[in-house]
Amino acid sequence: ILNVEQSPQSLHVQEGDSTNFTCSFPSSNFYALHWYRWETAKSPEALFVMTLNGDEKKKGRISATLNTKEGYSYLYIKGSQPEDSATYLCAFYSGGGADGLTFGKGTHLIIQP
Amino acid sequence: EPEVTQTPSHQVTQMGQEVILRCVPISNHLYFYWYRQILGQKVEFLVSFYNNEISEKSEIFDDQFSVERPDGSNFTLKIRSTKLEDSAMYFCASSGGGWRYTDTQYFGPGTRLTVL
Repeated sequence: ILNVEQSPQSLHVQEGDSTNFTCSFPSSNFYALHWYRWETAKSPEALFVMTLNGDEKKKGRISATLNTKEGYSYLYIKGSQPEDSATYLCAFYSGGGADGLTFGKGTHLIIQP
Repeated sequence: EPEVTQTPSHQVTQMGQEVILRCVPISNHLYFYWYRQILGQKVEFLVSFYNNEISEKSEIFDDQFSVERPDGSNFTLKIRSTKLEDSAMYFCASSGGGWRYTDTQYFGPGTRLTVL
């Protein structure tokens, strides 16, 4: 059973501050890591798909890095805004085929004005 | 912007009844998926579907579950005889022509299934 862990579970950040959180995954048989942003009552929104060790991707104020050798990815948000409040999910694919994407439990981010 | 849609948004059923959850994937996508999230737990993969057949399925996806693409636009998940533990949010997703796990998957808003 693959284990994908996200930390912290929840996070309160002041508007304007920058923040980051972690996704840990097995370092063997890495194929891809996905990040999603999920607001309550909406569809999970794809942020990034990362495949190469050392990858760094950016979308506006949000960026992500990937270390496949040690099995972690960081998501960074620069200058947090209230609309960044959401649950951020990571999902890992190992190439085994049978399990599809394995998700973490998410980091619940609350931006305080 | 194209989006994945799901109906109904909430389905309540009695234990033992059959339910069909419906999804309309993004129109030019080739891969389709179902996931579920039991309240308080992680999102779990159920099944992936390509070229009118199941590509992969998890241990959760037993004989009580089936998927179908009946008409080239809808993608359905059928649960033949629902159990209490099937209560969850069910998400449909689709992705384009790239290899399915390195291509972006686009999710629908989910159907909340409540089994009484």
